[in-house]
Amino acid sequence: ETGVTQTPRHLVMGMTNKKSLKCEQHLGHNAMYWYKQSAKKPLELMFVYNFKEQTENNSVPSRFSPECPNSSHLFLHLHTLQPEDSALYLCASSQEPLAGVETQYFGPGTRLLVL
Amino acid sequence: AQSVSQHNHHVILSEAASLELGCNYSYGGTVNLFWYVQYPGQHLQLLLKYFSGDPLVKGIKGFEAEFIKSKFSFNLRKPSVQWSDTAEYFCAVNAHNTDKLIFGTGTRLQVFP
Repeated sequence: ETGVTQTPRHLVMGMTNKKSLKCEQHLGHNAMYWYKQSAKKPLELMFVYNFKEQTENNSVPSRFSPECPNSSHLFLHLHTLQPEDSALYLCASSQEPLAGVETQYFGPGTRLLVL
Repeated sequence: AQSVSQHNHHVILSEAASLELGCNYSYGGTVNLFWYVQYPGQHLQLLLKYFSGDPLVKGIKGFEAEFIKSKFSFNLRKPSVQWSDTAEYFCAVNAHNTDKLIFGTGTRLQVFP
């Protein structure tokens, strides 16, 4: 248990569905991240939030929409996804932005399957 | 663009064997370097990190890594592996003063008793 929780742990959705992934950190951190982990590919950073402000959008398609209402919660809203979006989505948090060489703490991930 | 290469995709060892996992990165500036580990069924967690000072970094569970700037490398080592070291190991780099952590594809280590 790292203090970062993600729900749901597994999600199956159709291409026309709208769903949301939730991440919550109980560590008092100020930075939160979304990553995508696909088979045989490196972990890809999707979004970074520092103090609730988005500071990085790594060329992610608009069908992925992040939301960070406060420093403890991070959402990833999904709509009209494609089968190639099937992957493990990981949330992470760190005390401060990475410039301070902070350790990132990862959640268990949400395994997403798009049919 | 920055990238991280882990050339060993799958390593199989017997207990007590020595381990070295390669990690090379491409970036000309100052970097911070990390090794993360994911044990079966568990979260990704930090094994060790380097950001300045002694290029030989000690981590948890007897792991160490050496930053060789001239070779753009940050290889992970352990003199004698145990069955419990079976896991996937990820090298990661971020350019100094940026939020972006770049990961390698990972190396799956299997240790047999």
